[in-house]
Amino acid sequence: GQNIDQPTEMTATEGAIVQINCTYQTSGFNGLFWYQQHAGEAPTFLSYNVLDGLEEKGRFSSFLSRSKGYSYLLLKELQMKDSASYLCAVKDSNYQLIWGAGTKLIIKP
Amino acid sequence: GAVVSQHPSWVICKSGTSVKIECRSLDFQATTMFWYRQFPKQSLMLMATSNEGSKATYEQGVEKDKFLINHASLTLSTLTVTSAHPEDSSFYICSARDLAGDNSPLHFGNGTRLTVT
Repeated sequence: GQNIDQPTEMTATEGAIVQINCTYQTSGFNGLFWYQQHAGEAPTFLSYNVLDGLEEKGRFSSFLSRSKGYSYLLLKELQMKDSASYLCAVKDSNYQLIWGAGTKLIIKP
Repeated sequence: GAVVSQHPSWVICKSGTSVKIECRSLDFQATTMFWYRQFPKQSLMLMATSNEGSKATYEQGVEKDKFLINHASLTLSTLTVTSAHPEDSSFYICSARDLAGDNSPLHFGNGTRLTVT
């Protein structure tokens, strides 16, 4: 079967750095997405990785290792508004998106 | 950037009635739109893929006759929850990808919170 694993919840301190991991087992791979979802709102796109390596976009970076079936989202200089759920999604060989359950990130002052 | 508009943002209806949710791509054309359902503290669950000008593709376990999807134009898809029951209460989200290609990100509507009493 297809599976995306993310930690259920993480806590971090304002101003710090946090890394949210995502491991996947899917039938094929055509890219990995990270989305941010605030409570009661729709997800918003953060990043896309299809090749190994690090993609940096401001305070957020995303890393991919296809051989390990592994990605992480790195958030720097955490702000209170970063409190949200972070969803990892992988596109399989049929270009279907497989979603992780999301990681709820709690930022404390 | 690409904008997807979803309406209404919330609706309360009585059991047995039907509710229509609209999803519009405002500044791009979408041959395909996706309808998701999300229960509290759970991930997105794809319900169906809406294809412009043809029948929708439903995921396993999703009742076609209960969740009617119409994709009449390149900018509009509708989801009708027929004979709604309290267990249909959920957060429904539509998304679309512009024609730029399969690797472009999904753009989500703001979601519709449906409460069936």
